[in-house]
Amino acid sequence: AQSVTQPDIHITVSEGASLELRCNYSYGATPYLFWYVQSPGQGLQLLLKYFSGDTLVQGIKGFEAEFKRSQSSFNLRKPSVHWSDAAEYFCAVGAKSGGSNYKLTFGKGTLLTVNP
Amino acid sequence: DVKVTQSSRYLVKRTGEKVFLECVQDMDHENMFWYRQDPGLGLRLIYFSYDVKMKEKGDIPEGYSVSREKKERFSLILESASTNQTSMYLCASSTLGIATYEQYFGPGTRLTVT
Repeated sequence: AQSVTQPDIHITVSEGASLELRCNYSYGATPYLFWYVQSPGQGLQLLLKYFSGDTLVQGIKGFEAEFKRSQSSFNLRKPSVHWSDAAEYFCAVGAKSGGSNYKLTFGKGTLLTVNP
Repeated sequence: DVKVTQSSRYLVKRTGEKVFLECVQDMDHENMFWYRQDPGLGLRLIYFSYDVKMKEKGDIPEGYSVSREKKERFSLILESASTNQTSMYLCASSTLGIATYEQYFGPGTRLTVT
């Protein structure tokens, strides 16, 4: 069964600093990988996705992520963080789960605090 | 824009009550999902539905049931609420196939059972 690990529960950065959120996955085949963001009081929103091809993927709000098969990682990055990026970030892996079921498995999340 | 709405943002119920959480989506999506979100545990899938009247158990279905009588509406039912069901409940929807992974979420219902 697939699983996702987000090693950092809480990260604090200063506004304007760069950001990297870590994600490691476990899955036997080529995974489909996702990052979702949950702003305070909101539901989750898809930031970006990786299905195949170029291992560096661009998403909304200036985020990017890089798929590294050798490290089973899909880290999220942003060169310059804005105060509005304060939120909880979830990495997820998608895999078929019996028959035609497509199952999305989420990590436990990383809470990002942005200091002014 | 896809919109997923949930009937309540906050709900307080007593132990033993029957609780209904409602979710409506306006994009004609085939799939609908109910998740539970708890601090330190992330999102866990309770049930999902891929068509009207069709449902499948997720990872933590115990103590819950669901109903999908119309394509746009998916209800989560707590037959007899217990304090350990105090949580944030998130509804989501998506189209079929690989797009199942691209889910649109509602704002959540924070349920407190006392």
